[in-house]
Amino acid sequence: EVQLVESGGGLVKPGGSLRLSCAASGFTFSDYRMNWVRQAPGKGLEWVSSISSSSSYIYYADSVKGRFTISRDNAKNSLYLQMNSLRAEDTAVYYCAREGDSGNYWFDPWGQGILVTVSS
Amino acid sequence: NFMLTQPHSVSESPGKTVTISCTRSSGSIASNYVQWYQQRPGSSPTTVIYEDNQRPSGVPDRFSGSIDRSSNSASLTISGLRTEDEADYHCQSYDSNNWVFGGGTKLTVL
Repeated sequence: EVQLVESGGGLVKPGGSLRLSCAASGFTFSDYRMNWVRQAPGKGLEWVSSISSSSSYIYYADSVKGRFTISRDNAKNSLYLQMNSLRAEDTAVYYCAREGDSGNYWFDPWGQGILVTVSS
Repeated sequence: NFMLTQPHSVSESPGKTVTISCTRSSGSIASNYVQWYQQRPGSSPTTVIYEDNQRPSGVPDRFSGSIDRSSNSASLTISGLRTEDEADYHCQSYDSNNWVFGGGTKLTVL
């Protein structure tokens, strides 16, 4: 069974940093693009960042560019999101999501999500 | 960058059919595939339609997807509505290294 389990969330002050992790199992992690998607309280989904299978191609939403860094360790079947200079508007549930099986720029499956709260 | 616009909410009775639209603001709706995700309260999104009209295994054929070039929009149609279909539905597409979601539609089955 494919599983994605996020960790590392919590409460952080504005301007602070946090590192999210996503542990993957049940599939060949190194074959898939991986992504982070977030959802602010009561709001819709927002794509955050994407990293190709070999880390050669990395993309960010404009809202996080220059502040967030996505990375992966294929030997550890893990995905990461380093979040710096956090703002109140970064408060959200962050989901780790694998690329869909057909590879055509969609997300499936998703992790259970981890809450990040940025507040003083 | 383009936007995807969905109605904020729709409602329909059990057993009926409902259609949720997703309109692309610029560029052709046909230029990149559209996906639909279902998100029940307190849960993670799950895929109900991918690549415009494909159903993942386990998704009932009551769910169908389509695109309409004339209105530059995609649609998710759910027939034979059940109370368990009550959820938020999000459309998603892609262009030029940018993944875009619609704002989500809350479906109420009453």
